[in-house]
Parts: sequence; C-alpha cells; structure tokens
Amino acid sequence: DAMVIQNPRYQVTQFGKPVTLSCSQTLNHNVMYWYQQKSSQAPKLLFHYYDKDFNNEADTPDNFQSRRPNTSFCFLDIRSPGLGDAAMYLCATSGRTGGNEQYFGPGTRLTVT
Amino acid sequence: KQEVTQIPAALSVPEGENLVLNCSFTDSAIYNLQWFRQDPGKGLTSLLLIQSSQREQTSGRLNASLDKSSGRSTLYIAASQPGDSATYLCAANTGFQKLVFGTGTRLLVSP
Repeated sequence: DAMVIQNPRYQVTQFGKPVTLSCSQTLNHNVMYWYQQKSSQAPKLLFHYYDKDFNNEADTPDNFQSRRPNTSFCFLDIRSPGLGDAAMYLCATSGRTGGNEQYFGPGTRLTVT
Repeated sequence: KQEVTQIPAALSVPEGENLVLNCSFTDSAIYNLQWFRQDPGKGLTSLLLIQSSQREQTSGRLNASLDKSSGRSTLYIAASQPGDSATYLCAANTGFQKLVFGTGTRLLVSP
C-alpha cells in the first residue's frame, strides 16, 4: 500500500544534542510537509517542500532545518533541542495542486531530557 | 489570518447515538476542508475531504457538510461505536499548500 512512513516512532534526545527525524513516502507526491503538534494542541506547520523548493513558515525557529534529497525522502533536523521542542512531529504529503488532500504519517514522538 | 474553531472540545455519548461535530472558519476563501481522526499518540487519518465547490461528502457512517458562506462544516457520525472514540480535527486548506487546523473534538463513545 502507498503510504507515508516516519522513523523512528519514538526518539529521546538530550537537551542541546542534535537530532534528525526521517520521513519517506511511496505516493510519489510532489509536496512534503513537517508539522509540530504539542500535547492537546493543533498541528502547526513548520515548513514544506514543493518539489525541491523549500518554504519556511515565518514563525518557525531557526533551530529547525529540513532536507529533501529526493522525491521520496524528507528529514527534519533539530540543531539544539530544548525542552520546549518535545512534541509529536508529523510528516505529510500531497499532490501538486493546492487543493489536494494531505496524507499523514504515524508521527515521531520526541522527548527531550 | 484564517482561524479554525471546533465545538465542543469534548463529547461523551453512549453507543448507538448519532452525533454532530462542528467546525467553523473565519475566512471563506478556502480550497477545501479536510476532516481527520487522531487516536492517542498516533498520526492523523484522513476521513473526508470536501472541495470548496461541494456541499457534502459521505463515507460509510460519516457525512461531512460544508457551508462556505457561513464559514461552517459539520461531521455527522451515525450509529456511533466505541471504536469511534478518538480526537476529530478539521482543517481548512487556505491554498499555498497550507492547512489551518482546529484544536479538535475529543469523542468518547461508551459501550
């Protein structure tokens, strides 16, 4: 089945220690997104890639970076995690046009100690 | 700036009851509206997508309606089951590849 896969499902990192979260997709979608969802809050868009074009949200901290080496993979790098970065990180994909449905992965739960 | 609100924040019903979840948005200029289900600690599962030109969409026991002029969408769940217990999120697609989410309705269906 075509899907969005996130690894790892659970990640524990230390305060200030860089961490990378991974997302892959078999849907061959052009657009890939990263969302941050804190407990009992709505998902918040951090950035997205439209093909190779990176689009950062204005309020996304510089501490968060992303890479998309090819159509299938996208990475979220947190350069110096703080306690406030503990959250569920959700990856999503969609087709080329703006009105297309977004498909989400299972998420990575990040804990910062 | 688009804002999405969901009422109620939490809902508890006995099994078998029909129920309605509400979603309102402030800017009617949307591409579509998407309803999701989220189980505790899990990702989002897309339930229904209503394009801006549509009035409603149905999938099994679920029916979603959209009234752009009033900035409202509803998700109707027929004959609720304990397995329907989850958080339901609506999200307005404002274009430019952006979804604006509501904070969700937490549903508990008791046997």
